[in-house]
Amino acid sequence: DAKTTQPTSMDCAEGRAANLPCNHSTISGNEYVYWYRQIHSQGPQYIIHGLKNNETNEMASLIITEDRKSSTLILPHATLRDTAVYYCIVRVGAAGNKLTFGGGTRVLVKP
Amino acid sequence: EPEVTQTPSHQVTQMGQEVILRCVPISNHLYFYWYRQILGQKVEFLVSFYNNEISEKSEIFDDQFSVERPDGSNFTLKIRSTKLEDSAMYFCASARSGLSGANVLTFGAGSRLTVL
Repeated sequence: DAKTTQPTSMDCAEGRAANLPCNHSTISGNEYVYWYRQIHSQGPQYIIHGLKNNETNEMASLIITEDRKSSTLILPHATLRDTAVYYCIVRVGAAGNKLTFGGGTRVLVKP
Repeated sequence: EPEVTQTPSHQVTQMGQEVILRCVPISNHLYFYWYRQILGQKVEFLVSFYNNEISEKSEIFDDQFSVERPDGSNFTLKIRSTKLEDSAMYFCASARSGLSGANVLTFGAGSRLTVL
């Protein structure tokens, strides 16, 4: 019942931007795109979310295509501590709704 | 920054024993969740809780599981009679009510349960 498709893994160089793609071609009008990450079996950590506009915070930027069928999470200057599994999740933003995690993208930041 | 606190960080128990995992959600949050992650597998939803009752539960959350908010600050997950397959990392999460889309879940660091 996966609503998103992400690459299984990717490498990126320390100090460079990491661009993580996500396809969500069946997204509904009231569903948001959320990104979380999990560093080595720690609790999932919220990164960013958006509905249709691009968003930026201190951790990352989220670029959502105009048709909303895909998005890209950008880590502007990847560090070794950004090595983690990154999850792209679509979810109706109503209060109380759960998050459903897929397999995510395993990102390895290399020196 | 406010955080969700979970205890114990690691518990080892014998099969058939009862286990209680404890969570202190962020103080102004109203929605509470338990998830689990078996080693090497996905993070799986167990149950959500609001206004002192279960809002939603997964197929995993059978009669062996229960949740409680006993005192207005703690949120507990009880496993009545543990099985080997209950060995996993259990994550508690909480969220504020309110604005659509802003209902961001904050997760704790997890409690590792090992059933022997």
